[in-house]
Amino acid sequence: DAGVIQSPRHEVTEMGQEVTLRCKPISGHDYLFWYRQTMMRGLELLIYFNNNVPIDDSGMPEDRFSAKMPNASFSTLKIQPSEPRDSAVYFCASSRTSGSNIDTQYFGPGTRLTVL
Amino acid sequence: AQTVTQSQPEMSVQEAETVTLSCTYDTSESDYYLFWYKQPPSRQMILVIRQEAYKQQNATENRFSVNFQKAAKSFSLKISDSQLGDAAMYFCAYRSFVGETSGSRLTFGEGTQLTVNP
Repeated sequence: DAGVIQSPRHEVTEMGQEVTLRCKPISGHDYLFWYRQTMMRGLELLIYFNNNVPIDDSGMPEDRFSAKMPNASFSTLKIQPSEPRDSAVYFCASSRTSGSNIDTQYFGPGTRLTVL
Repeated sequence: AQTVTQSQPEMSVQEAETVTLSCTYDTSESDYYLFWYKQPPSRQMILVIRQEAYKQQNATENRFSVNFQKAAKSFSLKISDSQLGDAAMYFCAYRSFVGETSGSRLTFGEGTQLTVNP
């Protein structure tokens, strides 16, 4: 089985530009999570979905951040406009509620975002 | 809210020896999950081991085992026969048990950077 797939792996952009990060969860997983990792704040949850529906977006830092999950196999995290303080590694993770290892979150490789 | 604390920012071990990484957590819940994740320089977050709080038996995965002390709210990771490939940042994480669902967030500790010396 393929793991969680994220693209791009690296993104360098200039302040004010729109950035879109993409995630494909593991097939059959019904939960999808977006995390951000920074030196200052460690790993923190931004938002998560269940069956494509956003459940908790309380971790989204501000209105510049938005996330969508149009179908079970694809999600995006968009930052518009981007700022230098958004520079971080963004992880997508997925988990399942049936079968083996339920509730374990499996992470993608992350996207390293640098905003100049 | 739950909190997870890893009091050892850095640890080192000689190859083939055993090392234990500490983790404590604070919660008022009785049912939950605990995890150890490994993050090598590639940045990938890799699941090492998981423990359900309702299970008395400590989880084991090959060279990795945990010492789960529920009353003390302690969840340490023991790595036996350490290998160079074990060098990484290790994160302890907590997740509430929400019935049959996995909707709850992971709360992570600050991480412990493990160095394995040849």
